[in-house]
Amino acid sequence: DGGITQSPKYLFRKEGQNVTLSCEQNLNHDAMYWYRQDPGQGLRLIYYSQIVNDFQKGDIAEGYSVSREKKESFPLTVTSAQKNPTAFYLCASSMSLGQGYEQYFGPGTRLTVT
Amino acid sequence: QKEVEQDPGPLSVPEGAIVSLNCTYSNSAFQYFMWYRQYSRKGPELLMYTYSSGNKEDGRFTAQVDKSSKYISLFIRDSQPSDSATYLCAMSARSGAGSYQLTFGKGTKLSVIP
Repeated sequence: DGGITQSPKYLFRKEGQNVTLSCEQNLNHDAMYWYRQDPGQGLRLIYYSQIVNDFQKGDIAEGYSVSREKKESFPLTVTSAQKNPTAFYLCASSMSLGQGYEQYFGPGTRLTVT
Repeated sequence: QKEVEQDPGPLSVPEGAIVSLNCTYSNSAFQYFMWYRQYSRKGPELLMYTYSSGNKEDGRFTAQVDKSSKYISLFIRDSQPSDSATYLCAMSARSGAGSYQLTFGKGTKLSVIP
């Protein structure tokens, strides 16, 4: 089955620690995205990537970092510089940025920082 | 004024009812219009997308776009309890670089009562 996997489903961290969220896809998509979802808010774009070793900041990139060493993988690191890291994080992919209107999402990771 | 406005609900209907979900927008450059369904604590699932104005039907779901009024709708016929979820509208405009990013509404929470 083709799809997007995110792990772990739930993640708990202490304030001041960096944490890395995993995202893998086997859809053979070139473009991958990270979003953040907070209660009562629309999804907000953190970072996106079109090809390996290339990525761009989205609307709320401060306090986050990403890498794209393989086409299938796009991990997100939430650093201690992110002031409000507790949120539901969603990874998505599309065939290309030119087809970014058709994005498919993973199941999400709920991060809680205390 | 936010780019995409969506009534958060909650909306509660009896099983078998016709459901109408709506979004308005301000950016006339939007070309693609998407509807996602999101079950609690899950990732959004792409239901359908429409290019420009008009209607698109898929089973019990009909998406409608009125670009002159900057208004989109999703109709669900013969609603079922399994349709109970949050419905997100999303829109996309082509950037100068030829990519499409998504702008989301905040979502409408729907409950279908047996």
